[in-house]
Amino acid sequence: KNEVEQSPQNLTAQEGEFITINCSYSVGISALHWLQQHPGGGIVSLFMLSSGKKKHGRLIATINIQEKHSSLHITASHPRDSAVYICALRIQGAQKLVFGQGTRLTINP
Amino acid sequence: DGGITQSPKYLFRKEGQNVTLSCEQNLNHDAMYWYRQDPGQGLRLIYYSQIVNDFQKGDIAEGYSVSREKKESFPLTVTSAQKNPTAFYLCASSPRHTPETQYFGPGTRLLVL
Repeated sequence: KNEVEQSPQNLTAQEGEFITINCSYSVGISALHWLQQHPGGGIVSLFMLSSGKKKHGRLIATINIQEKHSSLHITASHPRDSAVYICALRIQGAQKLVFGQGTRLTINP
Repeated sequence: DGGITQSPKYLFRKEGQNVTLSCEQNLNHDAMYWYRQDPGQGLRLIYYSQIVNDFQKGDIAEGYSVSREKKESFPLTVTSAQKNPTAFYLCASSPRHTPETQYFGPGTRLLVL
């Protein structure tokens, strides 16, 4: 079983819809990272979480440490949000990250 | 501007040839990482280095080699022993003890002809 699982793998929605991407994991972590990868391949950091909730513009990330689950929400989605969203874990005691397989999001106008 | 550069953006290789991918950072980060990304899969760690002149194998190191002679540079060589080298390669760097704050380069797409 993979240490980190994302769902869904692919998501297509209409502009304006509320989007939720999920990340579940099976190990103890010290931090969870949400990343965005655009079609050109470059990756940017969206959020780093160790507890609770963070908000930046239309993006909201939450984490429930007890349930080993995190969600990334996008409100009022826009075609420019189309990208691959990746969940990455820093496992406790490790000096590296473990990555989910990514969720490919397509927002149609 | 601080950042990570990878060159070239696209690289073509003939079967049986070694090829070296460049990664340079001016963020003054001690740690650097190389990842491979295949379609539909998460990033997989090839090698990482936490300090100059030291590096460790990641999950898929076979067929790859690295060096870390300078803090700013962490080149990756894809050797002829790598049987399926066509992939997207990403380099990242971070402060030494906070791998969760990695900054990523733009990537190099390697195609075997």
